[in-house]
Amino acid sequence: DAKTTQPPSMDCAEGRAANLPCNHSTISGNEYVYWYRQIHSQGPQYIIHGLKNNETNEMASLIITEDRKSSTLILPHATLRDTAVYYCIAKGYGGATNKLIFGTGTLLAVQP
Amino acid sequence: AAGVIQSPRHLIKEKRETATLKCYPIPRHDTVYWYQQGPGQDPQFLISFYEKMQSDKGSIPDRFSAQQFSDYHSELNMSSLELGDSALYFCASSRRQGGLDGYTFGSGTRLTVV
Repeated sequence: DAKTTQPPSMDCAEGRAANLPCNHSTISGNEYVYWYRQIHSQGPQYIIHGLKNNETNEMASLIITEDRKSSTLILPHATLRDTAVYYCIAKGYGGATNKLIFGTGTLLAVQP
Repeated sequence: AAGVIQSPRHLIKEKRETATLKCYPIPRHDTVYWYQQGPGQDPQFLISFYEKMQSDKGSIPDRFSAQQFSDYHSELNMSSLELGDSALYFCASSRRQGGLDGYTFGSGTRLTVV
């Protein structure tokens, strides 16, 4: 699976949009971009995933660049409960290695 | 909706003892993954099972073993516990190995070795 790079930390004001970037310049054509988050000591929580089209669900939006070398997770109206470590993971579909590999994510601190 | 159930939530063991952690996946999920997360670290993949067979193996110590049973629940057995085994242990499940569905994680078992 391709390596991903994220900033170690970010701040965001409550009620504002949080934009979390991720670089995955070596991503291959069959690898999806997954986003998970982990609120302190809780199990990681699935947020969203995409291949090449932008995706939106009730939690967030995922914007993937046309060359697929980077993506941005957008939390449209951040709340204090969104404070967590956010992980961007590139993972292929199917095959023998289907596990999620967590790198060093971004600690998002939402400020009141 | 049913989630991934892990038991126990907390466990305290002494060095050299054994521990068994249990994981009950979401109904109809056929794949289980185990992760270890030490203090201040990111989750590290240990092992996974698909349809009761080991499907992948990560940095799991030889002192640890795991299996998936006919009802798809999984157990992680840890022997000769060391202080360094103190960590959060997460189990995740998914439907169809490597499928596009998001992986669902349990709330974890916090193991403390004293």
